[in-house]
Amino acid sequence: ETGVTQSPTHLIKTRGQQVTLRCSSQSGHNTVSWYQQALGQGPQFIFQYYREEENGRGNFPPRFSGLQFPNYSSELNVNALELDDSALYLCASSLQTGGNYGYTFGSGTRLTVV
Amino acid sequence: DQQVKQNSPSLSVQEGRISILNCDYTNSMFDYFLWYKKYPAEGPTFLISISSIKDKNEDGRFTVFLNKSAKHLSLHIVPSQPGDSAVYFCAASHAGAGGFKTIFGAGTRLFVKA
Repeated sequence: ETGVTQSPTHLIKTRGQQVTLRCSSQSGHNTVSWYQQALGQGPQFIFQYYREEENGRGNFPPRFSGLQFPNYSSELNVNALELDDSALYLCASSLQTGGNYGYTFGSGTRLTVV
Repeated sequence: DQQVKQNSPSLSVQEGRISILNCDYTNSMFDYFLWYKKYPAEGPTFLISISSIKDKNEDGRFTVFLNKSAKHLSLHIVPSQPGDSAVYFCAASHAGAGGFKTIFGAGTRLFVKA
């Protein structure tokens, strides 16, 4: 049973650029969530996808968008990068969309915007 | 908008003793509460969850208590072991009009001394 894998592990982008982060869910998991974790903070919920449809969103602007593919892998896209977007981005998958199912997290992508 | 708060940034406990990690929340609509553990350079790992209709859930050395009237939950680890040293996140989830959301606290760093 493979876990959640994220790529790349580290990334440096320039303000104003666009970035795509990728995530492969744990085998059998149909739900994926993305989180932003700033230094010293807890993960902040960006959005969740269930069977290729967005079914929940946190307080993030529309320049944060996502996709979930038929194999349940996922992408997080961020347009017009700002310095404050520098953070660890975590992907998490679960078997169901219900809140009692613990997520399996990847190790994250560290994004630095300069 | 800190709906989930962990007011203690760190906690130090002697090996073999009880560790008590606390969490407060403000949104009475949360359906489930979860605890995650995070080691450096790894994603959070799911530990234990509790439904909002329960007041206690136990799994081995880990017990979560929920006090709905006080909007407070706690994680008890007995006995504490040096390998428990990590950052612990409290999280709460609900499915509302805007879709599904999971909110994390800022975390508490637990040190278990041998």
